[in-house]
Amino acid sequence: KNEVEQSPQNLTAQEGEFITINCSYSVGISALHWLQQHPGGGIVSLFMLSSGKKKHGRLIATINIQEKHSSLHITASHPRDSAVYICAVRRNYGGSQGNLIFGKGTKLSVKP
Amino acid sequence: NAGVTQTPKFRILKIGQSMTLQCTQDMNHNYMYWYRQDPGMGLKLIYYSVGAGITDKGEVPNGYNVSRSTTEDFPLRLELAAPSQTSVYFCASSNRGVTEKLFFGSGTQLSVL
Repeated sequence: KNEVEQSPQNLTAQEGEFITINCSYSVGISALHWLQQHPGGGIVSLFMLSSGKKKHGRLIATINIQEKHSSLHITASHPRDSAVYICAVRRNYGGSQGNLIFGKGTKLSVKP
Repeated sequence: NAGVTQTPKFRILKIGQSMTLQCTQDMNHNYMYWYRQDPGMGLKLIYYSVGAGITDKGEVPNGYNVSRSTTEDFPLRLELAAPSQTSVYFCASSNRGVTEKLFFGSGTQLSVL
């Protein structure tokens, strides 16, 4: 079983819909990142969470440390939101300071 | 700011050839990383560095080498390229702490034939 699982793998939505992407993990963490990978391949950081909730524009990210679960929400979705959304966690133990564990990503397609 | 600059964008190598992927950041980040991304898989860490002169192996280091002589530069060297090294490579840098944020280069698509 992967240490970071994302669901769904693929998601198709109509413009304007509210979207939720989920990330579950099985290790103790110190931080969780949400990233966006554009169709052209570039990767952009959206959020870093260690607790609670963050909001930026139409994007909202939440984390529940006890349940080992995070969600990324997109309100009023738009075709330009079409991308792969990646969850990554940093373990809070172990000697490897650099080791983020990445999910496989959720491919979102928003139709006009 | 340019952020993280990674070159080249595309490269085709023959089996056994060598090459260096260049990575430079202008944000004075101590932490730098090299990842590879294979189809349908999550990013995998090849090597990372926590500062000039300090590097360490990640999950998939075999067939690669790195150096970090300055804060800005973190090149990745492929020696004796193999078809298994066909992948998309990303360099990244970050700060750490409560404002931690990752910055990625634009990626290098490498094919080894």
